[in-house]
Amino acid sequence: EAEVAQSPRYKITEKSQAVAFWCDPISGHATLYWYRQILGQGPELLVQFQDESVVDDSQLPKDRFSAERLKGVDSTLKIQPAELGDSAMYLCASSFYAGTGANVLTFGAGSRLTVL
Amino acid sequence: DAKTTQPTSMDCAEGRAANLPCNHSTISGNEYVYWYRQIHSQGPQYIIHGLKNNETNEMASLIITEDRKSSTLILPHATLRDTAVYYCIVRANTGNQFYFGTGTSLTVIP
Repeated sequence: EAEVAQSPRYKITEKSQAVAFWCDPISGHATLYWYRQILGQGPELLVQFQDESVVDDSQLPKDRFSAERLKGVDSTLKIQPAELGDSAMYLCASSFYAGTGANVLTFGAGSRLTVL
Repeated sequence: DAKTTQPTSMDCAEGRAANLPCNHSTISGNEYVYWYRQIHSQGPQYIIHGLKNNETNEMASLIITEDRKSSTLILPHATLRDTAVYYCIVRANTGNQFYFGTGTSLTVIP
């Protein structure tokens, strides 16, 4: 069964350091999402890509977060500098959306960030 | 996209049916109901979705009321591995975002 790959699985960093997460979606999935999930809460959408273009980044803290999907395949989410409040699970998801009907997202296992 | 309301937590005895309710009273005619679950420290897992009709797959059944203002996810024979947080989401087929609430924490008791 096809999976969304994410790395690293766990990351511990000190505040003010830079951190990056990588996501490889299911082959052929044009839409890619990054979510952040704080412990005890539901996932919150940070950014959505359609191919290489950003569709929605309204909830992305752009002063410290950036995301790219240069060739419309894999994607990187970066935080610089990291703050204590950034400690969370960062989830990547992808979907194949034909424009009609339902749109099912498949999630990766996530990258858990701890900022000390 | 319509907002959903779910109970914070539920318990279910192992082997019994688990019935998880969801209210979505502001749902629009083109919005689907999706259910996902998240086992501790893993990414959310798709369970089932529906528009108007009841749906069943190998994991669960989805019952949507005739007025579509609420739905119920049914796990017919709950096992300990079904212990998870279950999210009900409504989303238009032309919408972009999946908005997750806080979900229902289901605990299956031996």
